[in-house]
Amino acid sequence: QQKVQQSPESLIVPEGGMASLNCTSSDRNVDYFWWYRQHSGKSPKMLMSIFSNGEKEEGRFTVHLNKASLHTSLHIRDSQPSDSALYLCAAILSSGSWQLIFGSGTQLTVMP
Amino acid sequence: EAAVTQSPRSKVAVTGGKVTLSCHQTNNHDYMYWYRQDTGHGLRLIHYSYVADSTEKGDIPDGYKASRPSQENFSLILELASLSQTAVYFCASSENRGPYEQYFGPGTRLTVL
Repeated sequence: QQKVQQSPESLIVPEGGMASLNCTSSDRNVDYFWWYRQHSGKSPKMLMSIFSNGEKEEGRFTVHLNKASLHTSLHIRDSQPSDSALYLCAAILSSGSWQLIFGSGTQLTVMP
Repeated sequence: EAAVTQSPRSKVAVTGGKVTLSCHQTNNHDYMYWYRQDTGHGLRLIHYSYVADSTEKGDIPDGYKASRPSQENFSLILELASLSQTAVYFCASSENRGPYEQYFGPGTRLTVL
């Protein structure tokens, strides 16, 4: 079983709408979460990180983290066509090698 | 901004042939990583290194070797390329392990025929 699961696999939202993406870990040793964005044919770029319970906002992007349930979510308000991309959730396991574990991603399409 | 470059950007190889993918970073980072990404999926760690002349296995090291001759350079070697190794390969670097951002190179698209 993948240690980091993302849902939905794909999401279509209208321009100006709200996109909500979810990520959950099945490993209780997860301590740190990242959200990376990868446009088609490009490399992943870190979008936001969250290490503590609660909420973090940067412009149109908001991330939430609930460490008890090992769940993080990314919300994009006023979605733009340029937000269309693969969104990857990644987590660090604080025990062992501190490797970054990626989920399979959510493919977001924002329709004009 | 952090700079990680990869070469070649794309390569076609024959089954059973040897392939070497190269990565160079100018970030002065200690940690470097090799990931593979299969179409539409997340990234999986192949090998990583935290110091020159030393490499560590990641989650999927079988069929791959790595070499870190200097802090700036990190290579991925496929001694006997197979069809299942067709993928996009990304190199990344970070200042340290743990809660430190990883900076990715542009990727190498490898097709094994």
